[in-house]
Amino acid sequence: DTAVSQTPKYLVTQMGNDKSIKCEQNLGHDTMYWYKQDSKKFLKIMFSYNNKELIINETVPNRFSPKSPDKAHLNLHINSLELGDSAVYFCASSQEWGYGTQYFGPGTRLLVL
Amino acid sequence: GESVGLHLPTLSVQEGDNSIINCAYSNSASDYFIWYKQESGKGPQFIIDIRSNMDKRQGQRVTVLLNKTVKHLSLQIAATQPGDSAVYFCAEGQSGGYQKVTFGIGTKLQVIP
Repeated sequence: DTAVSQTPKYLVTQMGNDKSIKCEQNLGHDTMYWYKQDSKKFLKIMFSYNNKELIINETVPNRFSPKSPDKAHLNLHINSLELGDSAVYFCASSQEWGYGTQYFGPGTRLLVL
Repeated sequence: GESVGLHLPTLSVQEGDNSIINCAYSNSASDYFIWYKQESGKGPQFIIDIRSNMDKRQGQRVTVLLNKTVKHLSLQIAATQPGDSAVYFCAEGQSGGYQKVTFGIGTKLQVIP
């Protein structure tokens, strides 16, 4: 069974569209994260939720809105997509905040045309 | 910070040789360090971690060394195998409170058969 899963794996869309990426973890973890990885492989945290509460909200445009319906799910909605949003988005989870090993999903490759 | 203008450092190693991947961390308050391995097309995967009260920790074929004086971390891989080819990230974090884990820029390891 996949520990952290993301859908879709690939997402190709036009500028200006709105899209969502879904993430689910079956590890029973309390904390979930969204990261953006650029073309140079730099991993930057975007958001983190602990027990469904937003803990980290980095300087991300407000076109990005995370939603955590329950501890096992963390979705990312992106409005008015721009070319610069093209990247790989990773979801991750950890059992505990900060100190915990993070388990990453397979990533969602977003290409904005 | 961002990776703008930086290229992903690459280390080429002959199969069977030992590899040493280095990382400089920035926050002297960090007390928890992790190494992740990211294979092509996959999410990062935990390799080994070390707390600041230790200088060295060994796993299976991997050793992490921590030098807090110069804020330096290294990952040593013994008898490097083709399956070790990947991008390796160091990450630093702090215990206590809602402190995020920050990833370094990554090093690409290429194993030459």
